[in-house]
Amino acid sequence: RKEVEQDPGPFNVPEGATVAFNCTYSNSASQSFFWYRQDCRKEPKLLMSVYSSGNEDGRFTAQLNRASQYISLLIRDSKLSDSATYLCVVNQGAQKLVFGQGTRLTINP
Amino acid sequence: DTGVSQDPRHKITKRGQNVTFRCDPISEHNRLYWYRQTLGQGPEFLTYFQNEAQLEKSRLLSDRFSAERPKGSFSTLEIQRTEQGDSAMYLCASSRPGLAGGEQYFGPGTRLTVT
Repeated sequence: RKEVEQDPGPFNVPEGATVAFNCTYSNSASQSFFWYRQDCRKEPKLLMSVYSSGNEDGRFTAQLNRASQYISLLIRDSKLSDSATYLCVVNQGAQKLVFGQGTRLTINP
Repeated sequence: DTGVSQDPRHKITKRGQNVTFRCDPISEHNRLYWYRQTLGQGPEFLTYFQNEAQLEKSRLLSDRFSAERPKGSFSTLEIQRTEQGDSAMYLCASSRPGLAGGEQYFGPGTRLTVT
């Protein structure tokens, strides 16, 4: 079983739609959680941290359920520029990040 | 631009040759990481330095791989006797003390093709 599992997609949604991604992690000792974004042929970039209380950054909302070992990302009012691969990331301590496979999102005009 | 830089951006080599990649982190960052990414997968952790000390190595890092950060600034990753399975994007990232453990800044990567 992979340490961080994501649906690879692809997700194709129309501009303006709301889209949600989920991810699960296997190590209950994981300490912190993040979503990264990776554009085609580019490096990953931190999108947002994920807190137990849930957090929002503009159109993006991230949630963590430690009991179910489940992380989610919601994108509202999607824009063409949101097209990218979204990587679910877990910090298992000692600075080691474990990345999911990534979910590919395409926003269509 | 004071981001993480990597050199070369692309490397094509024949199986059995040795290759070396360089990473220059953001100047005030004392932590440096190497990852490997293959097509359709997320990055996989290889190793981590704090200053010049290599503090963790993945079991993915076989004895053909070695990484150094001699003065706590730039780092090199060497692969000896390359194999076709080594073909991948090699990503370097850096972070500074005080940032959450996941807030890492990535370089553009070195794409290695072993023929």
